[in-house]
Amino acid sequence: DVKVTQSSRYLVKRTGEKVFLECVQDMDHENMFWYRQDPGLGLRLIYFSYDVKMKEKGDIPEGYSVSREKKERFSLILESASTNQTSMYLCASSFINGGEAFFGQGTRLTVV
Amino acid sequence: AQTVTQSQPEMSVQEAETVTLSCTYDTSESNYYLFWYKQPPSRQMILVIRQEAYKQQNATENRFSVNFQKAAKSFSLKISDSQLGDTAMYFCAFMMDSNYQLIWGAGTKLIIKP
Repeated sequence: DVKVTQSSRYLVKRTGEKVFLECVQDMDHENMFWYRQDPGLGLRLIYFSYDVKMKEKGDIPEGYSVSREKKERFSLILESASTNQTSMYLCASSFINGGEAFFGQGTRLTVV
Repeated sequence: AQTVTQSQPEMSVQEAETVTLSCTYDTSESNYYLFWYKQPPSRQMILVIRQEAYKQQNATENRFSVNFQKAAKSFSLKISDSQLGDTAMYFCAFMMDSNYQLIWGAGTKLIIKP
């Protein structure tokens, strides 16, 4: 079974902290994604990576950065956490464009 | 720009009933993919069904089937013999053939009552 693992299910951070959300997939997928999920808004793409060290901005990249040093790992970084970044963060991976995306269990981040 | 609209924020039906969730999308592309994903309270998002736009035949997966109307840009999900375990958020999503990005609807909360 494909597995996408996010490092934390719940996280509470203080305003101004640097926050790292880690995601690891075990199926050698090229594509990896970070989404933010808010009620009534569906999923919004923050960043996408199609290869090691490659990244592209999604719809809402402001306040975020990403790192992909190894194919299986895709990290989301909140440079200086703010309360409006309180949300559910979902990581996903897929093998090819048009193929099924596999998701992690999500990290519910609260910034206080 | 592509958009996906799910007009039903919440629905509830009795166990064993059939329910249809609606989804419309807007695109000028001719080749694309459509998806229904399910997110139960456990938060694990899983694929329910996938449709390739060039295929006229509607996709089916056991109790789940779609009604794909390409001209009308409609992609509804039908769940037959609904079960308590079908209780979840359901998201419709669109992907162009030439792109990686999934465009998501806002979701429909489906509650199956015993």
